[in-house]
Amino acid sequence: DTEVTQTPKHLVMGMTNKKSLKCEQHMGHRAMYWYKQKAKKPPELMFVYSYEKLSINESVPSRFSPECPNSSLLNLHLHALQPEDSALYLCASSQPRGGHNSPLHFGNGTRLTVT
Amino acid sequence: SQQGEEDPQALSIQEGENATMNCSYKTSINNLQWYRQNSGRGLVHLILIRSNEREKHSGRLRVTLDTSKKSSSLLITASRAADTASYFCALLLQGGSEKLVFGKGMKLTVNP
Repeated sequence: DTEVTQTPKHLVMGMTNKKSLKCEQHMGHRAMYWYKQKAKKPPELMFVYSYEKLSINESVPSRFSPECPNSSLLNLHLHALQPEDSALYLCASSQPRGGHNSPLHFGNGTRLTVT
Repeated sequence: SQQGEEDPQALSIQEGENATMNCSYKTSINNLQWYRQNSGRGLVHLILIRSNEREKHSGRLRVTLDTSKKSSSLLITASRAADTASYFCALLLQGGSEKLVFGKGMKLTVNP
C-alpha cells in the first residue's frame, strides 16, 4: 500500500471530455508532483508544486491543467486530450527541494486511455 | 542529456544470486536515487546517495557513487523472486531545482 492515494485507478475518456485526476497525501509533505509514464519508458516530469505554488511546468500542453487546493491535495484537470496522451499518470510527494534529503513517495497511478 | 542511463537494460538471474546494475550520467548532480517499479504500479524509493558520499547500504542493497566517473551502481544481494521489477536511477540536478530526472530503466527478472 502507498501513502499517496490516486483516484481513479483507471479512466477512459473521449477527446471531447473533461475529467480530473486526484491525488492525496497525509505525510505533511509540501512538494507534490505529476509525472507521465508511457509503456516501457521512464516517468517524465510534468509539474511540481512547492508550498502550494506551481514551481515547475515542463512545457506541458494547456490541455493539462494542474491545481493544488491545499497541501494535501493535487489535481490534474484534463480537457480535449489526444490519443497519444494515453499513459500512466503518477502523483508523488516529498519535502520541498525534494530529493535533497527526502525521496519521492509515489501513488500507484491512474491508467488513462483516451479514445 | 540530463538523463541517467542504466546498464544492462535487462538482466535475468536465479534466486540467491547477486544483481548489479549501473547508472551513468553526464551532468552535475546533487544526489542520485534508485527506485523500483513493479509492473503497472507506482515507483518505490530504494536508496538515496548524496554527491559527497561514496557508498551506502540498506538491507540487501548496496549503492556506490563515483562522481569523477559520473556513475553509480546498485547491488542487490541474495536476490529473491519478489525483486523482479524495473529499476530506475534518478538524478537530482545541481542548482536547487526540485526536478528529479529518471533514467531509462532496466528490467530485472529473478527466476525461482
